[in-house]
Amino acid sequence: QSVLTQPPSVSAAPGQKVTISCSGSSSNIGTNYVSWYQQLPGTAPKLLIYDDNKRPSGIPDRVSGSKSGTSATLGITGLQTGDEADYYCGTWDGSLSTHYVFGTGTKVTVL
Amino acid sequence: QVQLVESGGGVVQPGTSLTLSCAASGFTFSASGMHWVRQAPGKGLEWVAVIWSGGTNTYQLDSLKGQFTISRDNSKNMVFLQMNSLRAEDTAVYYCARGSSFSGGRPEYWGQGTLVTVSS
Repeated sequence: QSVLTQPPSVSAAPGQKVTISCSGSSSNIGTNYVSWYQQLPGTAPKLLIYDDNKRPSGIPDRVSGSKSGTSATLGITGLQTGDEADYYCGTWDGSLSTHYVFGTGTKVTVL
Repeated sequence: QVQLVESGGGVVQPGTSLTLSCAASGFTFSASGMHWVRQAPGKGLEWVAVIWSGGTNTYQLDSLKGQFTISRDNSKNMVFLQMNSLRAEDTAVYYCARGSSFSGGRPEYWGQGTLVTVSS
């Protein structure tokens, strides 16, 4: 059972915005950077956001990340059909940050 | 470019052992921590283990201690996951991923995964 909680699903029409929350605690999100991953159907996860709000090369600026306290949020604006995927947050957990944890995952549906 | 290719998956009987391999290329393997992450059919991602760049430090999911062992061979640019006493609940796609730092870091680049099915 994951220690990071995400909504099971979110949806919006093309061109609209979606936000995905990731709720944790002081032992994980509260003290460590958060990453976000996109998993398209049948493929491996891909890093979308790291260090709470940084985008790897090639990730468009319509994708954003933020963090406040023990929660993090992923935002996607200008939603496209190609954004339909599962999204996971991830961070280190524990007093020594030796265990990595993923969120429960959120399915984004483009209406 | 970073390339990670997992192998060794297959159908195995409960109680048996299996070793997964991950061949890495396109980056300085000996300077990177490496992770194993698994995903049961229709389920979310579950972190399994991490090994530091030098191989001396390893950490894994508490529930898998004593059952799974992560190791690496920097001379061959490979990371391994030895899995013992396999159970049906270990059925999953197993991904290896490059970490963002020598001490693990976030999983950054992922292989395509190898499917392990534990069934009688």
